[in-house]
Amino acid sequence: EPEVTQTPSHQVTQMGQEVILRCVPISNHLYFYWYRQILGQKVEFLVSFYNNEISEKSEIFDDQFSVERPDGSNFTLKIRSTKLEDSAMYFCASSEFGEAGANVLTFGAGSRLTVL
Amino acid sequence: GNSVTQMEGPVTLSEEAFLTINCTYTATGYPSLFWYVQYPGEGLQLLLKATKADDKGSNKGFEATYRKETTSFHLEKGSVQVSDSAVYFCALSASGGNYIPTFGRGTSLIVHP
Repeated sequence: EPEVTQTPSHQVTQMGQEVILRCVPISNHLYFYWYRQILGQKVEFLVSFYNNEISEKSEIFDDQFSVERPDGSNFTLKIRSTKLEDSAMYFCASSEFGEAGANVLTFGAGSRLTVL
Repeated sequence: GNSVTQMEGPVTLSEEAFLTINCTYTATGYPSLFWYVQYPGEGLQLLLKATKADDKGSNKGFEATYRKETTSFHLEKGSVQVSDSAVYFCALSASGGNYIPTFGRGTSLIVHP
């Protein structure tokens, strides 16, 4: 069964440091996403990516965040200068179709970010 | 905007008990509705879905019926097992949100032997 792979599984960083979270989506999927979940809260949408550019982003996805697909397989989320409130579980997901109603996502296991 | 509200957890049950996890939604347009499940140490995975009113999604003994009149998509299972212990997420995608899935906060289910 194809799967989405995320690394690292857990990262601890100091406030103000840059963090890069990595994801390898399913190879024939065209749409890629980052979500996050702060402990005890909703799974929140951050950004979607299609055809090598951002297609949608939420209010959370400010100038501190960026995404990139540096090669044909990896999809990365960068946080430039981490804040305490960035501590969360970050989920990468991919899907085959971005529209047509039943947009089913395949998720990775998540990267837990702890900012001290 | 789109939103999903699901019941607070944890839900704690004995094996073979009946399960209901409530989910209601607000959406622009006609949403598709989903339940995802997250087992410990794993990512969210699709459990079942329904794409139009009165559709029933089902998988692994779980069922949910798309109720447009009550804007609900409650998850049910007649007899839970210890292996069903996980976090369950209700979600929707709709044209009003460019089909980007909106999730609830998740409900933790703990099943005791």
